[in-house]
Amino acid sequence: AQRVTQPEKLLSVFKGAPVELKCNYSYSGSPELFWYVQYSRQRLQLLLRHISRESIKGFTADLNKGETSFHLKKPFAQEEDSAMYYCAPSRVFKAPDFGNEKLTFGTGTRLTIIP
Amino acid sequence: SQTIHQWPATLVQPVGSPLSLECTVEGTSNPNLYWYRQAAGRGLQLLFYSVGIGQISSEVPQNLSASRPQDRQFILSSKKLLLSDSGFYLCAWSYGQRNQPQHFGDGTRLSIL
Repeated sequence: AQRVTQPEKLLSVFKGAPVELKCNYSYSGSPELFWYVQYSRQRLQLLLRHISRESIKGFTADLNKGETSFHLKKPFAQEEDSAMYYCAPSRVFKAPDFGNEKLTFGTGTRLTIIP
Repeated sequence: SQTIHQWPATLVQPVGSPLSLECTVEGTSNPNLYWYRQAAGRGLQLLFYSVGIGQISSEVPQNLSASRPQDRQFILSSKKLLLSDSGFYLCAWSYGQRNQPQHFGDGTRLSIL
């Protein structure tokens, strides 16, 4: 079965401290991986995706195929980082795979930055 | 630019009553469309997805159904609501290309009494 696990439901970090939100997946093949974020009173939105190899709002995520992990990291937490974070691998649901993918969301981690 | 609208924002319904939640997308053509449910303390669960008009795939067996009568309209329905249908329902769209992110609506909070 394809699964994604975010082991921490709640995570509190002091402002300025490093942040790591864990995500482990169990998928056949090579899924594409995304992190989504929901700030208070805002819509769920894309934070970053593995394929872009980008840093968004200071966050990065490294894919470790050996450990099947895609942890989200930021070296120095800021108060505006407080939000709900979801890890979401995608998988093909229809052949051919062009455009036919769907996401599986983890249960999420609520990150609170302590001033 | 593309926008997604979902309504109503909140809904309180008695057990056994019908349901219709609507989602529309503007500013793009032939999007992939999705319905998710988020139960308290749980992640988002994909309920239905659609790659085109009249094409609906169900992820999990349930009391709900979905329809796509127009290219950018996605409807979530039920003939008779159950208590277990309570939750937060999200609609999303994406481009029909590889590795495209999904864009979410504001959601509908459904309470069954």
